[in-house]
Amino acid sequence: GENVEQHPSTLSVQEGDSAVIKCTYSDSASNYFPWYKQELGKRPQLIIDIRSNVGEKKDQRIAVTLNKTAKHFSLHITETQPEDSAVYFCAASPGGTSYGKLTFGQGTILTVHP
Amino acid sequence: NAGVMQNPRHLVRRRGQEARLRCSPVKGHSHVYWYRQLPEEGLKFMVYLQKENIIDESGMPKERFSAEFPKEGPSILRIQQVVRGDSAAYFCASSPQQANEAFFGQGTRLTVV
Repeated sequence: GENVEQHPSTLSVQEGDSAVIKCTYSDSASNYFPWYKQELGKRPQLIIDIRSNVGEKKDQRIAVTLNKTAKHFSLHITETQPEDSAVYFCAASPGGTSYGKLTFGQGTILTVHP
Repeated sequence: NAGVMQNPRHLVRRRGQEARLRCSPVKGHSHVYWYRQLPEEGLKFMVYLQKENIIDESGMPKERFSAEFPKEGPSILRIQQVVRGDSAAYFCASSPQQANEAFFGQGTRLTVV
């Protein structure tokens, strides 16, 4: 089955700096890669996703890149703000009719210091 | 997405009791997924259901756990004879029929005492 590795496990940055979180996956059949933000005690919320036919996607301060050959994808957050502090999870899915069957990474605790 | 409703939000059960967790998907969504999140860990896939069908239960423990998504009403995740190791947050997610992102509910936090 699919295995997703996520690094780093914790990331501490100053407000205004950039943050990068990286994930690798094992199953070449995976073709949908979402990123979720989870605040303490709350639900995971989708913040951005990318499909395998695209190499990069950007939404305001958030961007995701995908390298299918190397089987890795990354989340980039620019101009970080204290409210970006949360746990971030990457995930992979085979897509098709099973987009919701996700294999998650272990999570990255992001702390943005004012 | 506020559309996925889970209840109860918190559930306390004694060892050996049964736990029933309910999930109402976003209106119009026919795919439901259950995930378990142990403290300070990522989410682990448990089961994928469509109306009246279990599509993929590869993440479900072999014993004590069952799930259903009946024609009418919410999806139910049932845990029989709960043990302390079942304490976790259980999240339900739903997606529309035509392959799109999954939206998560607020979760049910099960505590077994």
